[in-house]
Amino acid sequence: NAGVTQTPKFQVLKTGQSMTLQCAQDMNHEYMSWYRQDPGMGLRLIHYSVGAGITDQGEVPNGYNVSRSTTEDFPLRLLSAAPSQTSVYFCASSSRGGGNTEAFFGQGTRLTVV
Amino acid sequence: ELKVEQNPLFLSMQEGKNYTIYCNYSTTSDRLYWYRQDPGKSLESLFVLLSNGAVKQEGRLMASLDTKARLSTLHITAAVHDLSATYFCAVDPYDKVIFGPGTSLSVIP
Repeated sequence: NAGVTQTPKFQVLKTGQSMTLQCAQDMNHEYMSWYRQDPGMGLRLIHYSVGAGITDQGEVPNGYNVSRSTTEDFPLRLLSAAPSQTSVYFCASSSRGGGNTEAFFGQGTRLTVV
Repeated sequence: ELKVEQNPLFLSMQEGKNYTIYCNYSTTSDRLYWYRQDPGKSLESLFVLLSNGAVKQEGRLMASLDTKARLSTLHITAAVHDLSATYFCAVDPYDKVIFGPGTSLSVIP
């Protein structure tokens, strides 16, 4: 199993450009989420999904869109990139039942907006 | 609004010593997680605590949960250099998994 796969690993964008960060998991997890990590601020939840067709906002949703058309994929779209969106982005997935509800994280996408 | 705090944020400890990291949260949650992150790497799960009084141990790390006090602890016993990393707690009260700011641990000889 590959687990959680994020692409790309690195990206440089110009202000105003749009792009999509890809996230795929092969563990049949219902729950998927996107976080951004900035120095000294831990991980902040952007958007999450409890199943295909269902998404909701996290702590810092502005400037980002998500969709969940399949169980496996949860892409994150930056509509018009801003320097404040320079960060490391992590996608995670988890099961919601039983005792094994910990999140499995992708390797991260390091995004720089210039 | 759910808030998750960790104390301390930075910790430098000598090898062989014991120490405890604290995680406080502001709303009821029956699920609490501890994760480890090495520099430049992703996060890996350490513990899942699912009920009041839960205690889990793995090697030199032991985690506990007191849901009434809204407090979890991560106890480090006889620290070794390999434990140097950033440790995050996260709470999961209603499908929003919120992380604390992290505790950066450095174990020195």
